[in-house]
Amino acid sequence: AQSVSQHNHHVILSEAASLELGCNYSYGGTVNLFWYVQYPGQHLQLLLKYFSGDPLVKGIKGFEAEFIKSKFSFNLRKPSVQWSDTAEYFCAVSSNTGGFKTIFGAGTRLFVKA
Amino acid sequence: DGGITQSPKYLFRKEGQNVTLSCEQNLNHDAMYWYRQDPGQGLRLIYYSQIVNDFQKGDIAEGYSVSREKKESFPLTVTSAQKNPTAFYLCASSIGQGNQPQHFGDGTRLSIL
Repeated sequence: AQSVSQHNHHVILSEAASLELGCNYSYGGTVNLFWYVQYPGQHLQLLLKYFSGDPLVKGIKGFEAEFIKSKFSFNLRKPSVQWSDTAEYFCAVSSNTGGFKTIFGAGTRLFVKA
Repeated sequence: DGGITQSPKYLFRKEGQNVTLSCEQNLNHDAMYWYRQDPGQGLRLIYYSQIVNDFQKGDIAEGYSVSREKKESFPLTVTSAQKNPTAFYLCASSIGQGNQPQHFGDGTRLSIL
């Protein structure tokens, strides 16, 4: 079955610490990969996406993610987090074998201490 | 500003009742989606529609029904057959078929009395 797995449900960091949130997927065929973010009291919004090309994708607010096809992974990174990065982060995947439905991971709640 | 409007924000239902959640968008998007969000489980796809008068089941469609009579509207009915309806429901839309959800609504929290 198609699935998306996020390794950590809760992450607590101090400001200026580096961030890496894990995401692995189980899908066949060509995949499109996404990270969404939900800041407190706000809508879910797209942080970055990968369709093809350079596997290192840059997103908004200094975030980046790397697609490693051999590991079925799409980890999210940020070199130095800020208090304002406190949010819930969702990894998502769509595939042409899944009819282009987008499947979401369970989410990771990040809390950044000031 | 364009966006997605979900109503109501909070909804209470007695057991055995059907209830309909509204989702309207003024973005001129072709595709619309319904997700259910439960703690620790992220978003799970209930139904999606890529074009008017057409929709497909997602991963957890049992106990739910939808219609797509107009491009702007994609209401979700939670029927009495849904055994565990208490959840947070999110509606989303995207510009075309095959695209990931691009805009989300504020959500509706449904609780069983």
